[in-house]
Amino acid sequence: GEDVEQSLFLSVREGDSSVINCTYTDSSSTYLYWYKQEPGAGLQLLTYIFSNMDMKQDQRLTVLLNKKDKHLSLRIADTQTGDSAIYFCAESKVSSNDYKLSFGAGTTVTVRA
Amino acid sequence: GAGVSQTPSNKVTEKGKYVELRCDPISGHTALYWYRQSLGQGPEFLIYFQGTGAADDSGLPNDRFFAVRPEGSVSTLKIQRTERGDSAVYLCASSSTGEETQYFGPGTRLLVL
Repeated sequence: GEDVEQSLFLSVREGDSSVINCTYTDSSSTYLYWYKQEPGAGLQLLTYIFSNMDMKQDQRLTVLLNKKDKHLSLRIADTQTGDSAIYFCAESKVSSNDYKLSFGAGTTVTVRA
Repeated sequence: GAGVSQTPSNKVTEKGKYVELRCDPISGHTALYWYRQSLGQGPEFLIYFQGTGAADDSGLPNDRFFAVRPEGSVSTLKIQRTERGDSAVYLCASSSTGEETQYFGPGTRLLVL
């Protein structure tokens, strides 16, 4: 969606770290998410962060949130070939239990040997 | 347990025809969302159900699109007089009420010739 922007492509060497960046425009966003989509498959939730947090770490994944700049990033440590996919950043603006998501266009991550 | 399922996985139809897409949410999930993902784009919100009622249909593009959830479980997205521009992957997601995470199905790929 137009409210969430991401770079379109990222190429990374196997074993290196990947950093995927996202900017959003709505300061009232409550939660920010990272989803992974492999070819022909649905969306897999990787991780998410509440908007009053700065950082969240989950195994190889680290999410950083800069609320002032409305910037979200996802770092994948020790990137593997299985990490090749499209990664979507999304925000939700909660209203009466409605957590509808606004997505970016996705970043295609290619892991090369 | 079983995840969100969607049928059919693929649907090819001709311009002007009527189609129905089905979503089976995770058992017990009261919230259900429909999204549409066009080629090369992120998913876009269509409609949100809380139980049997459509609590937010602000994403439906026009009156050719309609969705129901008569018993608060299975949902059907209905598209009348299909147009070539309706070709996309239609994704369904479900969650528990008040839960900030949504679980996506594999999607239905609709092609309008």
